[in-house]
Amino acid sequence: AQKITQTQPGMFVQEKEAVTLDCTYDTSDQSYGLFWYKQPSSGEMIFLIYQGSYDEQNATEGRYSLNFQKARKSANLVISASQLGDSAMYFCAMSFLLGSARQLTFGSGTQLTVLP
Amino acid sequence: EPEVTQTPSHQVTQMGQEVILRCVPISNHLYFYWYRQILGQKVEFLVSFYNNEISEKSEIFDDQFSVERPDGSNFTLKIRSTKLEDSAMYFCASSEVGRTNTGELFFGEGSRLTVL
Repeated sequence: AQKITQTQPGMFVQEKEAVTLDCTYDTSDQSYGLFWYKQPSSGEMIFLIYQGSYDEQNATEGRYSLNFQKARKSANLVISASQLGDSAMYFCAMSFLLGSARQLTFGSGTQLTVLP
Repeated sequence: EPEVTQTPSHQVTQMGQEVILRCVPISNHLYFYWYRQILGQKVEFLVSFYNNEISEKSEIFDDQFSVERPDGSNFTLKIRSTKLEDSAMYFCASSEVGRTNTGELFFGEGSRLTVL
């Protein structure tokens, strides 16, 4: 069974500093995708970054980068130069095939607070 | 930038009433999904939809739930007789690919359902 673990229920970071949000996963599949989503207090789910299991390079999107360590089954999100607007819940998710369809399983989330 | 749009953003209904949540997926996407998030809990998979039929569904997606694509753009989730425990944020998502476990998956802003 697929499982995503986020061990940090809450994190604090000073504005302009970098922060790493942890995510580990468990799967026996060889092909899978890893996602990070941001959920502000308003509730929407904002896609941040995606890493495929066969991608050799770590994914980057602006201030977001995904530190993918396949052997350790970890997919940590690094946010550089934190901004006050980064304060939100962050979810790590993994996609897998169930039958003929892909679906995501989510972690429990990390609440990030950026301090001025 | 293309996006998944959902209506309504918030709906309040009485227990036992029917509710229809609407979604417009990204136009060139072929795979559609509904997820839900009960307040303070993980995001959970409900159903995936491809080629005008359900691909997979979770245990949550019982006979009270149905989905359809009534025209070329809308994708709807119907709850026939709402229960208190159906109160949640419902997310529609779409992706360009689904039969392979790769590629990005985008969520709408969510529809918050409150059952009284």
